[in-house]
Amino acid sequence: EDKVVQSPLSLVVHEGDTVTLNCSYEVTNFRSLLWYKQEKKAPTFLFMLTSSGIEKKSGRLSSILDKKELFSILNITATQTGDSAVYLCAVEARGSQGNLIFGKGTKLSVKP
Amino acid sequence: NAGVTQTPKFQVLKTGQSMTLQCAQDMNHNSMYWYRQDPGMGLRLIYYSASEGTTDKGEVPNGYNVSRLNKREFSLRLESAAPSQTSVYFCASSALTSGRIDTGELFFGEGSRLTVL
Repeated sequence: EDKVVQSPLSLVVHEGDTVTLNCSYEVTNFRSLLWYKQEKKAPTFLFMLTSSGIEKKSGRLSSILDKKELFSILNITATQTGDSAVYLCAVEARGSQGNLIFGKGTKLSVKP
Repeated sequence: NAGVTQTPKFQVLKTGQSMTLQCAQDMNHNSMYWYRQDPGMGLRLIYYSASEGTTDKGEVPNGYNVSRLNKREFSLRLESAAPSQTSVYFCASSALTSGRIDTGELFFGEGSRLTVL
């Protein structure tokens, strides 16, 4: 059975800290891994990763994929209160018609 | 700049009542999805439609039906609501081409919070 496991499930940090969120997966015929950020309402897309070892970066956020060890990390440097959200990891399998398997998410709280 | 629009945003039902959640997208996307999100469970796929005229079951389809009315609209129907269907429902769409998400991006609606008493 395909699955995605995120850790930790919740995390509290102070502004300025650096955080690392983890996502491990087991999926038949892996195609891509995606990260989403969910604040109050709809998840919003952050990154899509398909190749091992290639870092994707957007501002203070970065992510990398390890297809051998079947995991990805999402790093956030110099955290701000606006980074408080649930971060969702999802995996797409080949032939899945675009269906994504989501992890349960990591709830990040950034304190001033 | 609408993107994906869901209605209603909130609904309270009694057990056994029926209702339909509506979803429309204006991005000319081929693929549309219905997910439910429960505390501690993440997002789980109910049904999806890879293209106009096709629908398929996802992970948790029991108790639901869907209709892909046209390329823009994808509705989710609860025929006889149960308390276990209390959840937040998200509609999403993607630019699916050749069987894969073109950019990896799902565009989500803002969610519909459904409570079944």
